[in-house]
Amino acid sequence: ELKVEQNPLFLSMQEGKNYTIYCNYSTTSDRLYWYRQDPGKSLESLFVLLSNGAVKQEGRLMASLDTKARLSTLHITAAVHDLSATYFCAVDKQSGSARQLTFGSGTQLTVLP
Amino acid sequence: GAVVSQHPSWVICKSGTSVKIECRSLDFQATTMFWYRQFPKQSLMLMATSNEGSKATYEQGVEKDKFLINHASLTLSTLTVTSAHPEDSSFYICSASPVYGYTFGSGTRLTVV
Repeated sequence: ELKVEQNPLFLSMQEGKNYTIYCNYSTTSDRLYWYRQDPGKSLESLFVLLSNGAVKQEGRLMASLDTKARLSTLHITAAVHDLSATYFCAVDKQSGSARQLTFGSGTQLTVLP
Repeated sequence: GAVVSQHPSWVICKSGTSVKIECRSLDFQATTMFWYRQFPKQSLMLMATSNEGSKATYEQGVEKDKFLINHASLTLSTLTVTSAHPEDSSFYICSASPVYGYTFGSGTRLTVV
């Protein structure tokens, strides 16, 4: 059974600081996704990582993937209040005849002024 | 880009009644759609995979007679919560996969009173 572990669960940080969210998964995977969720809203796609060593950046967020270590990171640079949200990683894997996503537990990020 | 429309956004119903949630892929055909449930402060849990023209595949622990899924066309899947009870109150999110990646509906907040 595929397990996806995300840490930390809660992260409170000052504006302007840097931090990293970690996502470990238990079996080989084809793709890894990062999503953002604002309170009461659905998921917003941030990144999809396809291969070992993949790195993607958008604004103050950068995601990377190490398939050998089964680890993905989401790095936040110079955090601003607008980044406050819950971030999920999700692993895409073939299950029987279908593909499905398995989500991490989420990291609730609060950026303090 | 690929869009998934989900309705209603929120619904309040009396205990013992049934509620139907619709999920439509607006600009692509989806032979498979996914239904998730999210309790407050928790991650998304896959309930079932909806397959066009055939029976849905339910995850372990999800009652198929309580959560009826119909995927009658390539653009529409419905989830009916039958004989709803307060413990069914949750945020329900559907998803579909166009050629690449996953697209999520806006979610339905169900409150059973």
